[in-house]
Amino acid sequence: DAGVIQSPRHEVTEMGQEVTLRCKPISGHNSLFWYRQTMMRGLELLIYFNNNVPIDDSGMPEDRFSAKMPNASFSTLKIQPSEPRDSAVYFCASRRRETNEKLFFGSGTQLSVL
Amino acid sequence: QQQVKQSPQSLIVQKGGISIINCAYENTAFDYFPWYQQFPGKGPALLIAIRPDVSEKKEGRFTISFNKSAKQFSLHIMDSQPGDSATYFCAASISGNTPLVFGKGTRLSVIA
Repeated sequence: DAGVIQSPRHEVTEMGQEVTLRCKPISGHNSLFWYRQTMMRGLELLIYFNNNVPIDDSGMPEDRFSAKMPNASFSTLKIQPSEPRDSAVYFCASRRRETNEKLFFGSGTQLSVL
Repeated sequence: QQQVKQSPQSLIVQKGGISIINCAYENTAFDYFPWYQQFPGKGPALLIAIRPDVSEKKEGRFTISFNKSAKQFSLHIMDSQPGDSATYFCAASISGNTPLVFGKGTRLSVIA
């Protein structure tokens, strides 16, 4: 299995621009999570989906952030407009809902907003 | 409110020594406590996990110690090696597909 696939690996953009991060979970996994990692705050949960349905988005920092999961094999996290304080590593992770255990992370997207 | 508090932020250990990382939690409903290991440029990966029905779990050089009454758990790395240098995250969750809540991480450096 290829694991959780995220793209792009690195994104450099200017303040005010729209940013879209992409994630392909492991086939057969029906729970998907978006986390953000910074030095100051560690790993923060932004939003998670079960069976493509958003369950809890209380971690999304502002209305500038939105996430979708149109099907079981694809999810996006969008920031519009982006700001320098959004600079972080964004991780997507997936697991089988029934196990409530091992979470598989992608390699992350390093976002820099100038 | 930080639900899982991890310490120290960083740790330097001599090769062959014991690395100890501690975590404390608030929510007594938590019943699953994993540790994740992250190497630079990679996502975190599950290292070892414990449930509160046991006080200790060992896998190779890695041991979790769990103290339910104190609401604390810790990771011990015996005979620490330079290849163990990474960031370690403790986490907690409630059974039933709730998300993991992570500590802020500990950057471990094992020096020869």
